[in-house]
Amino acid sequence: DTAVSQTPKYLVTQMGNDKSIKCEQNLGHDTMYWYKQDSKKFLKIMFSYNNKELIINETVPNRFSPKSPDKAHLNLHINSLELGDSAVYFCASRVTGRDTEAFFGQGTRLTVV
Amino acid sequence: RKEVEQDPGPFNVPEGATVAFNCTYSNSASQSFFWYRQDCRKEPKLLMSVYSSGNEDGRFTAQLNRASQYISLLIRDSKLSDSATYLCVVNIPGNQFYFGTGTSLTVIP
Repeated sequence: DTAVSQTPKYLVTQMGNDKSIKCEQNLGHDTMYWYKQDSKKFLKIMFSYNNKELIINETVPNRFSPKSPDKAHLNLHINSLELGDSAVYFCASRVTGRDTEAFFGQGTRLTVV
Repeated sequence: RKEVEQDPGPFNVPEGATVAFNCTYSNSASQSFFWYRQDCRKEPKLLMSVYSSGNEDGRFTAQLNRASQYISLLIRDSKLSDSATYLCVVNIPGNQFYFGTGTSLTVIP
């Protein structure tokens, strides 16, 4: 009964490839996020999305694109992978509102070689 | 400038000690505040929300000072199991959920 699930858990790929990470939440939340956690452990917000708007952190390269087929899913697609993309990517979801917490998936450890 | 700033530590304290973490935020329109805990190679999980009146949950006390734009977390009687990274989180208008850099805590026997 995983609330927020991501697949795959580990992803090793070569530079230049295109890959996707999937995220699904069964909590009925209306907002989903993608975060990148680099080697320095900083959790940087990449995108937030609800059924009304997508907000993109301006520092995120346009090689990264979120795709949401429905409210329960927010997948992350990455084109032309670079070495610097190696990190742990976390998906999260919450109910839009002032005091609601975010729930996180277990993370996808991406290694670009 | 980062939305949320934290002292990264590390904090190494003996069992039973009291330890405090502080966090500052830059957006005065920030709406809600949280402390999360992250264990090594795991996802962040909510430790506690932070309310304007301050709140306590067992050995943990969270405080918010809106005038000075900082949040604090106090852990009393530290346990070995408290060893983790503690993340300050701020929710700003536009549904943006920003994390601090995290403060590493190691409780030593």
